[in-house]
Amino acid sequence: GIQVEQSPPDLILQEGANSTLRCNFSDSVNNLQWFHQNPWGQLINLFYIPSGTKQNGRLSATTVATERYSLLYISSSQTTDSGVYFCAPPTGGGNKLTFGTGTQLKVEL
Amino acid sequence: KAGVTQTPRYLIKTRGQQVTLSCSPISGHRSVSWYQQTPGQGLQFLFEYFSETQRNKGNFPGRFSGRQFSNSRSEMNVSTLELGDSALYLCASSLRSYNEQFFGPGTRLTVL
Repeated sequence: GIQVEQSPPDLILQEGANSTLRCNFSDSVNNLQWFHQNPWGQLINLFYIPSGTKQNGRLSATTVATERYSLLYISSSQTTDSGVYFCAPPTGGGNKLTFGTGTQLKVEL
Repeated sequence: KAGVTQTPRYLIKTRGQQVTLSCSPISGHRSVSWYQQTPGQGLQFLFEYFSETQRNKGNFPGRFSGRQFSNSRSEMNVSTLELGDSALYLCASSLRSYNEQFFGPGTRLTVL
């Protein structure tokens, strides 16, 4: 099956700093989702991005499907951005998502 | 529009018991998927239901089963619980295939 790798695994930032999270996948995908998991475990939708670039406030995402990677940009980070960020393309037909191992982000004052 | 809801939110069971978890999708969504999250294995797909039919199944033993009702609500059942079944169980709903999925808050199951 498809392999999804995320980097870096851990990231510590000072509030106000920018960061780039990367998601590599081993096979072609039709689309990809980015999620933020909060401390209570809820997965919050960030982006649904088959290809190209999308922006939502301080966050933006770019997927280059032909090169099998996606990037999540966080600008002017805030402490509320802390948590785990996952990318997940659908694989194997239907709505089966394959999750990466995530990037654990901690934003400090 | 209300989001995905899951009940119960927390559950404590003992080995050998069985458990049923419930998921109500976003109104109008016909696809419900279930995932298990553990520290060791991460987020893993259990199964997907669409219009009351199981459409896809992950690599889990037969102790894990599910169903979907005509109103798209779904339940998953785990029989003969093992310590390793302790996990956060998440369900997601989607309008149709290859569409954006939305997750519920999860059910945290502890097996003692």
